[in-house]
Amino acid sequence: QKEVEQNSGPLSVPEGAIASLNCTYSDQGSQSFFWYRQYSGKSPELIMFIYSNGDKEDGRFTAQLNKASQYVSLLIRDSQPSDSATYLCAVRRDDKIIFGKGTRLHILP
Amino acid sequence: KAGVTQTPRYLIKTRGQQVTLSCSPISGHRSVSWYQQTPGQGLQFLFEYFSETQRNKGNFPGRFSGRQFSNSRSEMNVSTLELGDSALYLCASSFLFGLAGEDEQFFGPGTRLTVL
Repeated sequence: QKEVEQNSGPLSVPEGAIASLNCTYSDQGSQSFFWYRQYSGKSPELIMFIYSNGDKEDGRFTAQLNKASQYVSLLIRDSQPSDSATYLCAVRRDDKIIFGKGTRLHILP
Repeated sequence: KAGVTQTPRYLIKTRGQQVTLSCSPISGHRSVSWYQQTPGQGLQFLFEYFSETQRNKGNFPGRFSGRQFSNSRSEMNVSTLELGDSALYLCASSFLFGLAGEDEQFFGPGTRLTVL
């Protein structure tokens, strides 16, 4: 079982709709959970991180964490063409961080 | 505040050579992590340095090594290059990564290494 799993996509979402990105992890001791966005040819940039079960909102982005199910998701409301990118999920335990391979998101104008 | 810088940005080497990549973290950041990114394997953790000490190491062969200087700048070295080492090498800096709940990492632009 891979430690952090994401659907590779591409996930196509119409402009203005909600994009839902999912990630599962295998280490029950994981402490922090991250979503990064990476545009083609660029380095990853942090969108948000979450520690506790439940939802965390930041603008159009909402991260959802369910530790019992070992599942973390990212919702993007009012999707814009500029949201088209690869989204990387990452999980940290102590000082070790593991990234998923990412989901390619394509927002259809 | 200046971001993370990496040099060189692009590098072409041949098999068997060695290479040294450099990373300058954001001023005040003490943690520097190195990652290898390839289309097939994604972003993989190489190692992390904090206050000149390697705290953690990923599953890479001993040909991959690194160090951190007293000013927090870091270098990574790859010896006896192989074709499979062709990748984007990213470094990320953090103030106190993994400590006291500090989690934010800032990535540099990366060094694109091509091994021929």
